[in-house]
Amino acid sequence: NAGVMQNPRHLVRRRGQEARLRCSPMKGHSHVYWYRQLPEEGLKFMVYLQKENIIDESGMPKERFSAEFPKEGPSILRIQQVVRGDSAAYFCASSPKETLMNTEAFFGQGTRLTVV
Amino acid sequence: GQNIDQPTEMTATEGAIVQINCTYQTSGFNGLFWYQQHAGEAPTFLSYNVLDGLEEKGRFSSFLSRSKGYSYLLLKELQMKDSASYLCAVRPASTYSGAGSYQLTFGKGTKLSVIP
Repeated sequence: NAGVMQNPRHLVRRRGQEARLRCSPMKGHSHVYWYRQLPEEGLKFMVYLQKENIIDESGMPKERFSAEFPKEGPSILRIQQVVRGDSAAYFCASSPKETLMNTEAFFGQGTRLTVV
Repeated sequence: GQNIDQPTEMTATEGAIVQINCTYQTSGFNGLFWYQQHAGEAPTFLSYNVLDGLEEKGRFSSFLSRSKGYSYLLLKELQMKDSASYLCAVRPASTYSGAGSYQLTFGKGTKLSVIP
C-alpha cells in the first residue's frame, strides 16, 4: 500500500511563473490536507479538501493560491505568479473518510518549492 | 488565538533519556499529536493524547495535562537515529473539523541532536 505521494519532490520556478504541486492520497483516503512549512517555521494548515469539495480554505492566502481535488486524479495545489516568499516545503496529508479521533494522519514527503 | 510553544533545540547523549515539553493555548481541544520529522522528510506519527495521563509506546511516551495546556514527549534509550525535529500539534475545535479531521496547529518543532 503506497503512502501519500507528492510530486515533484523539488520544484524551481522563476518569479511570476506558475507552480503546480500534486498529491495522491493513500489508497482508500478521501480527505486531503495541504500544509506549508516555511524555513524555521512550523507547519501551517492551508486547505482541507474532500473529493470535488473544498471544506475549509481558511489557511490559504487570498490571492494566487488555489486547490482542487477532482473526482479522478490527484489533488493539485496551484500557485500563480510565484514570488520569493512562496519558497517553502509544501506537505500533503491524507486521512480516510471514516476518521476516528485517534486515526493517524499520513503525510507525504513534501514538495520543496524554490522561487528564483 | 492559537499558540503552541516548544523549545527550539535540545541536545542529549546516546543512551540517555530526554523530555521535550510543549505548551499550548488553542480555541478548543480535540487531541494532541507528536510527530517526528527527519530533515527533508515527511513528518511521521509518534503519538496521540486526548485524555490526561501518560501513553507509552516502546521507547517513546507522551503525557498530557489538559488543565495546564501541557504535554511532553519522553524518549528513552536514545539512539543516534533519534536525531530529528519533534513536532507538537493540537487539533483545535473548528466548525469544519469533525472529531477526526486533521486540521492541526503545529508548533515550530524541537530539533533534537543525539551525541555519542
